[in-house]
Amino acid sequence: QKEVEQDPGPLSVPEGAIVSLNCTYSNSAFQYFMWYRQYSRKGPELLMYTYSSGNKEDGRFTAQVDKSSKYISLFIRDSQPSDSATYLCAMSGTGSARQLTFGSGTQLTVLP
Amino acid sequence: GAGVSQSPSNKVTEKGKDVELRCDPISGHTALYWYRQSLGQGLEFLIYFQGNSAPDKSGLPSDRFSAERTGGSVSTLTIQRTQQEDSAVYLCASSTNAGGQPQHFGDGTRLSIL
Repeated sequence: QKEVEQDPGPLSVPEGAIVSLNCTYSNSAFQYFMWYRQYSRKGPELLMYTYSSGNKEDGRFTAQVDKSSKYISLFIRDSQPSDSATYLCAMSGTGSARQLTFGSGTQLTVLP
Repeated sequence: GAGVSQSPSNKVTEKGKDVELRCDPISGHTALYWYRQSLGQGLEFLIYFQGNSAPDKSGLPSDRFSAERTGGSVSTLTIQRTQQEDSAVYLCASSTNAGGQPQHFGDGTRLSIL
């Protein structure tokens, strides 16, 4: 079993919909949680970055971390066709475990 | 530029040849990471540099892979005697330090081994 599980989709929604993307993880040492957006033939672009449990909002994006359930979410409100991309969750621990462990990515298409 | 710069953007080479990939991190970032992204394996960590400390090479898949970072800035990833399974996108990321700070990625080098 992978340390980070993410539903690969594909996920297709109409413009304006609320999108919910999720990851679960098994390593309780993870403390930092990130969401990246990746367009085709581009590198991952950092969207959200959170430490430990709680919510963080940035514009149309909200990230939630529930460490007790080992579950993180990204919500996209008023989705736009330009949001069509692959979304990757990533996490890391403290101390020597500094590299990111990624989910497999969810491919999202927002239809106009 | 302001972001992480990688070159070349694409590389096609024959099996058995050596290749060198370059990464220029964001100015002032002391931590630098290499990852590999392939269809079957997703994004995998390869190696990490932090300042003048010895690199963490725990993700390198074989001894054909090596990397160095000169002057605490530019890094090169070298793959010797390339194999077809080395075909992937090689991504470089940097951060202000290694203590959980967000990593910022370049657009990668797409490596194809014929």
